[in-house]
Amino acid sequence: QAVVTQEPSLTVSPGGTVTLTCASSTGAVTSGHYPYWFQQKPGQAPRTLIYDASSKHSWTPARFSGSLLGGKAALTLSGAQPEDEADYYCLLSFSGWVFGGGTKLTVL
Amino acid sequence: EVQLVESGGGLVQPGGSLRLSCSASGFIFSSYTIHWVRQAPGKGLEYVSGISRSGGSTDYADSVKGRFTISRDNSKNTLYLQMSSLRIEDTAVYYCVFQSNGNVYWGLGTLVTVSS
Repeated sequence: QAVVTQEPSLTVSPGGTVTLTCASSTGAVTSGHYPYWFQQKPGQAPRTLIYDASSKHSWTPARFSGSLLGGKAALTLSGAQPEDEADYYCLLSFSGWVFGGGTKLTVL
Repeated sequence: EVQLVESGGGLVQPGGSLRLSCSASGFIFSSYTIHWVRQAPGKGLEYVSGISRSGGSTDYADSVKGRFTISRDNSKNTLYLQMSSLRIEDTAVYYCVFQSNGNVYWGLGTLVTVSS
C-alpha cells in the first residue's frame, strides 16, 4: 500500500505565497494518479479545490493553483488570505484511494 | 442538489457492532462507485472501503479488512457499512463519499465512538 506524504504544517504571511506538496512512496506522482486537493475547515467536511492535478472548480479561489512539480503534486497559494487557514489534504489514486496525512496551514 | 446523509453512528463498546447507512439523493446512485472515508478526532482522512456500481466489487483498507462489510441497495439509494469487532482506534467521523466530474462529494458524516 502506497504512503502519501504531505508537510504536517506550514505558515504563510497574509498576502504571501506558499506551496504544499504531496509525495508518493512508490515514486513520482503523475497525472495518472489523478491528484486531488481538498480544503477542510474545523467542523466541516472537506471541499474539493483541485482535481486532476491542476483543474479548478468554479468555487476554487483564483489564488489557488495545482501542478506537478519535481515528482510531486503541488498546491500553490498566491496571496494568502486569513480565510485560507485550514487543513489541506491531497488524494492520489492507485488501485484505490490513498490520502495524504494533511497539511495544517496557518496564515500569520 | 447532491445530498449524502449518513446515519447510524453512536457509542459502542470495544468488540461491538454497528451498521452505518448513507442515504443518497440528487444523482443517479446506481451509476457511481461509492466509498466510506473516516477521520479520527484531530487526525487526517483515511480511506475505509469502496463498492462498485453494481455492488459486485468491493475493497477495504487493511485496517478494517475482515471486520467491516460494505454493501449497497440501489433500489433504496442507500449505502451501508456493517462494522464488527470494533476497536477504540475505529473512533472517527465516517463520511460517505463519491467522485463525479472532478468533484468529490462528501456527506456531513456520522460519529462513531468506541469506548468502554
